[in-house]
Amino acid sequence: AQKVTQAQTEISVVEKEDVTLDCVYETRDTTYYLFWYKQPPSGELVFLIRRNSFDEQNEISGRYSWNFQKSTSSFNFTITASQVVDSAVYFCALTARDYKLSFGAGTTVTVRA
Amino acid sequence: DADVTQTPRNRITKTGKRIMLECSQTKGHDRMYWYRQDPGLGLQLIYYSFDVKDINKGEISDGYSVSRQAQAKFSLSLESAIPNQTALYFCATSVAGGSNTQYFGPGTRLTVL
Repeated sequence: AQKVTQAQTEISVVEKEDVTLDCVYETRDTTYYLFWYKQPPSGELVFLIRRNSFDEQNEISGRYSWNFQKSTSSFNFTITASQVVDSAVYFCALTARDYKLSFGAGTTVTVRA
Repeated sequence: DADVTQTPRNRITKTGKRIMLECSQTKGHDRMYWYRQDPGLGLQLIYYSFDVKDINKGEISDGYSVSRQAQAKFSLSLESAIPNQTALYFCATSVAGGSNTQYFGPGTRLTVL
């Protein structure tokens, strides 16, 4: 069984602050993929980033960066210099051998001007 | 044009009515999925299909049925709608193999009175 936990329900920041979203996962598979999705107020789900279990290198893509640590089963996501347009619900998700995508409950980010 | 489309985008219906939600994709993906999202919750898998002849139940399939009419089309039916099926419904697609990254349609907001 797979499980994804996002302990933070809501985060509120002022524009230009950094925001870090926590994600902890559980899986018995050794090969798996982790994702972050964004759901803006308009409701659609947008794929942001993906990381496989064999690559713990942390990366930066524009204002997004992620920290993947297998030792603590964590896949944290950071938005640098937040903007009002970053206000959304962010979902962490996991897929493994069965190809089913398991979602966390989501973290609502509010960026105030 | 959007790669994954869902119709209708919004629907209000009454208890006991039969409802069909449709999903079409132009991404050429083999795999298609139906999820529901309830307020404050992540997404739950209803049904998934890895090809036209392969359909599988997800976590919450009771009260739902699906039809994979073609590689590009996957419809979800509520045979007799009930109020607790009021939710946001998403269709998603992915390519076979690899990371199985899923790409989502814009969602259908269904209200059952």
